[in-house]
Parts: sequence; C-alpha cells; structure tokens
Amino acid sequence: DVKVTQSSRYLVKRTGEKVFLECVQDMDHENMFWYRQDPGLGLRLIYFSYDVKMKEKGDIPEGYSVSREKKERFSLILESASTNQTSMYLCASSTTTGLDTEAFFGQGTRLTVV
Amino acid sequence: AQRVTQPEKLLSVFKGAPVELKCNYSYSGSPELFWYVQYSRQRLQLLLRHISRESIKGFTADLNKGETSFHLKKPFAQEEDSAMYYCALFAGTYKYIFGTGTRLKVLA
Repeated sequence: DVKVTQSSRYLVKRTGEKVFLECVQDMDHENMFWYRQDPGLGLRLIYFSYDVKMKEKGDIPEGYSVSREKKERFSLILESASTNQTSMYLCASSTTTGLDTEAFFGQGTRLTVV
Repeated sequence: AQRVTQPEKLLSVFKGAPVELKCNYSYSGSPELFWYVQYSRQRLQLLLRHISRESIKGFTADLNKGETSFHLKKPFAQEEDSAMYYCALFAGTYKYIFGTGTRLKVLA
C-alpha cells in the first residue's frame, strides 16, 4: 500500500517566518509534487520533481522553493511566510514506470500564517 | 491550452437520485483522464481512470472525445458519496491538471 506522509497535519506560523513542509513516500516513486488546495481554485501545482536534485516550477512557484536530496523526500520551503500563503498543502507522488500514472496523495498540511 | 473545467462548485441531490458531475477538458494530445475523490478528513484518492473503463462504488465515467468530456455518473446516489470530486488530466511530462472540484452533497 502506497504511503505518502506529510510531517504535519496543522501548522501555525508567523508572517516572515521560514517554513518547512516535509513529505516522504515509501514506494520508490520518481515523481513528487506539491500542490495548494484552495476552495474554488482546486489544486494548483507549486513545484514538482522527477528525480533527486531535479525540480521544475509549477503554475504558482512564487514565494516557494523546494528541495529533493533523497528520492523518498520532497520538502516545500516558504522563504518568508505571508498571510496569502495560508492554505492546505498537498504532497503527491507517482511513477513513470510502466503504464500506471496514478498520483498518490498525502493527508495534507493545513498551514495558517498569522 | 491545457485545461480541465468543472462547471459546478456544488451539486446537491437526494439519496437515490441519479448523479452526474461534469468535466470538460482541453488538450491537444491523447488525453488520460481521472476522477479523484476526497471524503471528509481523508486524503485525496483515485476513484477511477478512463483507461480501465471500470465501475468503482457504482460510479462510471466515459471519455467522449467529440465533446471533450469525462462526466462522472452514478444511477442512485448514497449519503456516503458526499465528498469533493476532482477531475484530472494527465498532460504528460509528469504533469497533472486538476479541475476546480465539485462538492457533492447527498441529502437524506
């Protein structure tokens, strides 16, 4: 059973703080993703990574960075948190091996920036 | 442009009534489409994909390339179907494009 685990379910941070959101997957997937989930806006891709140390910007990368030092771990970094980054953050992973393109999601981290 | 459109933010139906959640897509290649579901307090998970042509929890979805649609249907809604539903397009090069989601409420 594929497991994607996000380190925190809820986080409250202050404006200007540096925030780290961690995600670990245990299925040896090549691809990992970070999304924001906001009501009425659906899931918007922030960044994704298709290999260790490789990263690509998604649709809304401003104010975020990522790190993938190991295959199983993908971190999202908010360099200086702002109130408009209050959101639900979802991590996902997938494989490009074979024909299966299903994305597996973590339970989400609800971040509140005050 | 690559796009997935779910026109309804909220769909309310009575238990036992038929359900249709609409999804339209825009994609120049051969589309690979999915429906994902998120039940209350649970993670987003795959419900079904068009290539498998299967029925999951009574739901089906048929890809209509002429109308560029992938509507999700169920003949008789149940209360446990209440959830957030997202239509998604796999656009290749690792990228998924999600619609804005439709919240389904099944009323007793």
